[in-house]
Amino acid sequence: KQEVTQIPAALSVPEGENLVLNCSFTDSAIYNLQWFRQDPGKGLTSLLLIQSSQREQTSGRLNASLDKSSGRSTLYIAASQPGDSATYLCAVRFNAGNNRKLIWGLGTSLAVNP
Amino acid sequence: GAVVSQHPSRVICKSGTSVKIECRSLDFQATTMFWYRQFPKQSLMLMATSNEGSKATYEQGVEKDKFLINHASLTLSTLTVTSAHPEDSSFYICSASLGNYGYTFGSGTRLTVV
Repeated sequence: KQEVTQIPAALSVPEGENLVLNCSFTDSAIYNLQWFRQDPGKGLTSLLLIQSSQREQTSGRLNASLDKSSGRSTLYIAASQPGDSATYLCAVRFNAGNNRKLIWGLGTSLAVNP
Repeated sequence: GAVVSQHPSRVICKSGTSVKIECRSLDFQATTMFWYRQFPKQSLMLMATSNEGSKATYEQGVEKDKFLINHASLTLSTLTVTSAHPEDSSFYICSASLGNYGYTFGSGTRLTVV
């Protein structure tokens, strides 16, 4: 069964810290992996997309890595700010079956305290 | 970038009435759209995959006669919640596939049935 797990479920840090959010998946045969951000009561904002052939992607203070062999992706947030407070979701599109469906983690709820 | 516009953002309706939610791709053609439902503090639950010009594919446990999906053009998919009941109150989000470029999401619709 294809599953995606995110750890930790919640994280509270002081402003300025560098932090890592983890995403693991059960099947290494993935098409791509996408990190999203969701603010309370809002839709999803795409942060980074990593294709199966890539090892990492960077956007500003965000860096996402992908290790297919170990079934892991990490989202690194540098110099965290209160505005980074949100829920971060990891979603995987697997190769086999699923017809373009994404398999979702339950998310990490991040609070960055001033 | 590719933008999906979802309307309305909030709707309150009486029990027994029907509500239509629209999802439009503004600057690209979306042959495949996805409809999700999200309960408070939970991750996204895929309801159905909407394909332009054909019938939607519903996930197990989702009533297709209650959640009518129409994808009549390459830029518009609609979800109609028929004979709404209080238990249908939820946050509904649409998403469009960007092929190799991942997925983009609408801003969501908060439905409250009273």
